[in-house]
Amino acid sequence: AQSVTQLDSQVPVFEEAPVELRCNYSSSVSVYLFWYVQYPNQGLQLLLKYLSGSTLVKGINGFEAEFNKSQTSFHLRKPSVHISDTAEYFCAVTRIDFTSGTYKYIFGTGTRLKVLA
Amino acid sequence: DGGITQSPKYLFRKEGQNVTLSCEQNLNHDAMYWYRQDPGQGLRLIYYSQIVNDFQKGDIAEGYSVSREKKESFPLTVTSAQKNPTAFYLCASSRQGVAEAFFGQGTRLTVV
Repeated sequence: AQSVTQLDSQVPVFEEAPVELRCNYSSSVSVYLFWYVQYPNQGLQLLLKYLSGSTLVKGINGFEAEFNKSQTSFHLRKPSVHISDTAEYFCAVTRIDFTSGTYKYIFGTGTRLKVLA
Repeated sequence: DGGITQSPKYLFRKEGQNVTLSCEQNLNHDAMYWYRQDPGQGLRLIYYSQIVNDFQKGDIAEGYSVSREKKESFPLTVTSAQKNPTAFYLCASSRQGVAEAFFGQGTRLTVV
């Protein structure tokens, strides 16, 4: 069975400081990996995704993530955060169900990033 | 612009009532999903549908029902059998064979 672990429920960080949000997954098969951002009372917006190829993935708003197969991790990083980055961030894994042709997502419990002035 | 529209944004329900949440997409996506979000629990899959007139239960389908009569619409009914319906509900869609899912803006349901 697949699972996603986001160990940090909340991460406070000062503005212009770097941040890393951790994500570990477990799966016996190859998966695709995603980071989504959610602002208060809004839906999820895709930040970045890893499907194949280069293990360093760049996304929107200056975020990047590195896929590490040996450590089964997909940590999200940003070198310098802004107040506007304050939001909840979700890591997700998915793989195709070949019987149905559908992708089913497993989400982590989320990390609330709070950027302090 | 293409996208997913959920309505209403806020919904209040009295105990014992059924309510229906709307989800419409104009992305021409085949697959559609309903998720429930509770604080500290991430997103949990309620139902999903790959094609018209077909849908499958997710991890927490009890107390919910769906229909898929049109490709672009996937309404969710929260029935009176759902013991704790207060939550944020998210609808998503994706193209067949493509991993990325797109999300609506959500509906916050509160039981009063």
